[in-house]
Amino acid sequence: GAVVSQHPSRVICKSGTSVKIECRSLDFQATTMFWYRQFPKKSLMLMATSNEGSKATYEQGVEKDKFLINHASLTLSTLTVTSAHPEDSSFYICSANSGARGLEQFFGPGTRLTVL
Amino acid sequence: EDQVTQSPEALRLQEGESSSLNCSYTVSGLRGLFWYRQDPGKGPEFLFTLYSAGEEKEKERLKATLTKKESFLHITAPKPEDSATYLCAVSSSNDYKLSFGAGTTVTVRA
Repeated sequence: GAVVSQHPSRVICKSGTSVKIECRSLDFQATTMFWYRQFPKKSLMLMATSNEGSKATYEQGVEKDKFLINHASLTLSTLTVTSAHPEDSSFYICSANSGARGLEQFFGPGTRLTVL
Repeated sequence: EDQVTQSPEALRLQEGESSSLNCSYTVSGLRGLFWYRQDPGKGPEFLFTLYSAGEEKEKERLKATLTKKESFLHITAPKPEDSATYLCAVSSSNDYKLSFGAGTTVTVRA
């Protein structure tokens, strides 16, 4: 149980284009989903928290117009990187919490974004 | 603000050589302390949740313990497949956010 998927696992795009990353909880309903960014050999940096049906809460320093988050249902959240630039290249990971299961977050496998 | 400090940064072990990883934390009120395992290029895999001082949890060769200031992850007789980065995180808020440490990268040589 507690499986989270992400799609795509890897994406390469040109500078200026937008990229959408999907995060799905496969066997539970996720009342809260989180988006993280991870730089090489660094720990996870929380970007935003999203609750189903409401606007995401962004961490300080994260541009909400740059990183659009939509939590459309209890099993799906999307992160769209708009007008991507090389500095947006990173490993993006989502996680989900069901509330009912406890405090644990269950993570997706991550998406490697490379912006040329 | 919650703070989590993990040590050592890296740990190289011989197969079968038991050791411990440390996670020191400062929170306003601990709701839970979590251990995750992360393999290169993958998302973190949940291992344990500890809720109160004195609590212990075990899974195969791993055992996690908790005091009021720190947590230890003990690796008993490790195998090469235990090689990974181990992340510690704490929760102190009502919105399920986690604060992560920088991790300890464990390498187990056969």
